[in-house]
Amino acid sequence: DTAVSQTPKYLVTQMGNDKSIKCEQNLGHDTMYWYKQDSKKFLKIMFSYNNKELIINETVPNRFSPKSPDKAHLNLHINSLELGDSAVYFCASSPMFTGGTGELFFGEGSRLTVL
Amino acid sequence: GESVGLHLPTLSVQEGDNSIINCAYSNSASDYFIWYKQESGKGPQFIIDIRSNMDKRQGQRVTVLLNKTVKHLSLQIAATQPGDSAVYFCADLDWRANSKLTFGKGITLSVRP
Repeated sequence: DTAVSQTPKYLVTQMGNDKSIKCEQNLGHDTMYWYKQDSKKFLKIMFSYNNKELIINETVPNRFSPKSPDKAHLNLHINSLELGDSAVYFCASSPMFTGGTGELFFGEGSRLTVL
Repeated sequence: GESVGLHLPTLSVQEGDNSIINCAYSNSASDYFIWYKQESGKGPQFIIDIRSNMDKRQGQRVTVLLNKTVKHLSLQIAATQPGDSAVYFCADLDWRANSKLTFGKGITLSVRP
């Protein structure tokens, strides 16, 4: 049973295209996140949602639009893809929004390559 | 702005030796720190955490040390095994910023047989 699952695992596309990455967690957590990991392994938070409500939007370009239809799902849609969007995108979840631990449960990542 | 970072990009150790991975942070208000391990092709995995009211915390084969005076924390791995080969990240949680978890730069630990 995969706790946090992302699809697709690999995505290769042309500049200017629009693509989506889906994430689902079966842990019953209230909070979900999107992180971007660049080629130097640097992990940067993009968004966090608590119970479907946007909590953190870390100055990400408007081309990135997260959507949370329910607290078990957090999808990421990217419009007009650029070369610099190439990265591994990680979805994560945690049980508590505040007062909890820093233990995030990460998916296995979605590697996006923009040509 | 605040940053969390690591001193060295790579660390190579002999199997069976102890490993020490160091991390510096700049935010004096940080009060909660976490170490994550990321194996190749996988997402980061929580290892151990420590709050600012502690200076040491031990887990199974791992120990985290916190020195608030010099804003430094370290992860010690005892009897390093091949399975410990991974990228390690320190991170801090800012409760005041909607519990934002900020990761430092990763350091690669390579275990020699």
